[in-house]
Amino acid sequence: ETGVTQSPTHLIKTRGQQVTLRCSSQSGHNTVSWYQQALGQGPQFIFQYYREEENGRGNFPPRFSGLQFPNYSSELNVNALELDDSALYLCASSFEIQETQYFGPGTRLLVL
Amino acid sequence: AQKVTQAQTEISVVEKEDVTLDCVYETRDTTYYLFWYKQPPSGELVFLIRRNSFDEQNEISGRYSWNFQKSTSSFNFTITASQVVDSAVYFCALSENQAGTALIFGKGTTLSVSS
Repeated sequence: ETGVTQSPTHLIKTRGQQVTLRCSSQSGHNTVSWYQQALGQGPQFIFQYYREEENGRGNFPPRFSGLQFPNYSSELNVNALELDDSALYLCASSFEIQETQYFGPGTRLLVL
Repeated sequence: AQKVTQAQTEISVVEKEDVTLDCVYETRDTTYYLFWYKQPPSGELVFLIRRNSFDEQNEISGRYSWNFQKSTSSFNFTITASQVVDSAVYFCALSENQAGTALIFGKGTTLSVSS
């Protein structure tokens, strides 16, 4: 196990709702990245946080937003959920920006 | 633009066979990192190896070995004497210095090892 934890493990929402996913990074890690993995696809980079600041963003609309706290844990918020947002959301932490990313178990989101 | 291609969608082998998973990448950066991750049915991505663009030495770790060739932009992964526990989806990924460390993943190769 990597020490990266995510909650909840599973979630069911309806279209138009909002959702918050949480990630606790491995002890000593100050960088957190979020990825979306649709069924049968590779993970897609959403954004990365380094020492509480956003440090890069992938091709996702503004309704995907995030936050990193002083203890380096992080949240991913998605507003106005769409059916295509159904996916596995993976959080990864690393010791520094250029270090290897270690992934958590993910949150499976289903939007009905 | 950066891209990772894993042309093999699914591979099926019998236990004890050797298997090679192919990965081809595209990048304009001279400094970059390549990775392999394993994703078992539980869903968690498990880190296997990281290699930087200046280190073309092949690496062996137990039954796993990796062949990095800059001339062909490939970073292939071989499992020797495969076991049922090796069954998983394997992802190759790329990160570039200028883009921070956003990982760009291939679509993955599903490996099924039967007994």
